Formats: sequence, C-alpha cells, structure tokens
Amino acid sequence: GENVGLHLPTLSVQEGDNSIINCAYSNSASDYFIWYKQESGKGPQFIIDIRSNMDKRQGQRVTVLLNKTVKHLSLQIAATQPGDSAVYFCAETVTGGGNKLTFGTGTQLKVEL
Amino acid sequence: GAVVSQHPSRVICKSGTSVKIECRSLDFQATTMFWYRQFPKQSLMLMATSNEGSKATYEQGVEKDKFLINHASLTLSTLTVTSAHPEDSSFYICSASRGVGYTFGSGTRLTVV
Repeated sequence: GENVGLHLPTLSVQEGDNSIINCAYSNSASDYFIWYKQESGKGPQFIIDIRSNMDKRQGQRVTVLLNKTVKHLSLQIAATQPGDSAVYFCAETVTGGGNKLTFGTGTQLKVEL
Repeated sequence: GAVVSQHPSRVICKSGTSVKIECRSLDFQATTMFWYRQFPKQSLMLMATSNEGSKATYEQGVEKDKFLINHASLTLSTLTVTSAHPEDSSFYICSASRGVGYTFGSGTRLTVV
C-alpha cells in the first residue's frame, strides 16, 4: 500500500504486505531526516535516519528514500506486521541551526490481519 | 542506549493551578532539551528549546510566561504550565539531545478541568 498526503492520512495494509509512507518536507536547507513511530499515548520512537548526502538507507525491514530535488522522503516497511500499526512521522532539521526538529503531519498505519 | 524519563505520565489539574512536568536524561548529559505539544491526531509542535544554564528559546506564538522552562542541569529540564486552562489540555513531550541524535520522553497527558 502507498499513501501521499499532509493531513494525517490513514494507510491500511494487509499483514505481510509492504507499506510505503510518504512525506513532503518544507525546508530545502534541511540536511538530516528522521522517521519516527508513535504508538498511542507514547513518545516518538526512532526508526531510521538519513543525511542529505545519501538517497537511500536500509535498516531491518525498513528503507528510507530521499529525493532532495522534490523534497520528498519515503519510508518502506517490508512484510508489515500488526505491531507496525502506529502513526509515523518524518522529521527534518538543519544541522548546526539549533538542531530543532520539524515534524511532518504524520500517517496512521493500520495493519489488517 | 539513551533513555529519557518524563514524569508524570498523566496529570489532571483544576483550572487556574500550575503543573510541573519533569524530563530527565538517565544515562547521558543533554546539552539541549526540547519541549513539544501534541493535540489529538496532530503532529508534534515545538514549543521551546533549552540549553543548560541559559534561558529557553520559545517558538513563535508560545507564551514564555505561561510555559516556564528550567534547564538547571545537564540531566534535568522542567516545564511548568502556569495558571492552566482547559485549552492547555494536551500531550506534552520532551526530547533530549547531546548534540547528535534525539531521545524522546514518553509524554505527559495534561487534562485541565
């Protein structure tokens, strides 16, 4: 499943399928990007990060793609599991610019059995 | 790994009273701490950035006299919501950084009645 948008959309996928969550960031000067997972009533949990000198980075079951030309990030989750159900946020920052993180609007991922 | 402890996790207070939220980095020294507010089904909005031993820098639109931030040591920052009103009810989250990376607390659900 794939979803694009800036207004907390919901992405529903079947267990075992791959998920693609998209994010459009705003600041062309941002050079460090992070994906977070947030479960209900909890703080954000780090998933994976990428610097602007890369366009792809892989972790365990997750891949982040960065397209600086169009200011776009995506998070790919392979073999989505029920435990992946959460809200996912991208965040951007300019290194050395106070290191403030700016969060995207988020995507609710629902994994259906 | 880096751990940030945030307390309390939930608090209910009467309108007009003040509430203090604590954020502690347990196993590292946090040179910078960030405070966020999150309304239901919305993203994290940065309220302020604090560096140890100096005054906090507040984001535009955040009342510094209402949201008092103290960062007296490298392991503790506090956010005090003064004269709380129902519209201050929200999920407050802290984040600590030692220059590289960010570790988030588990959040505080504030309900003002």
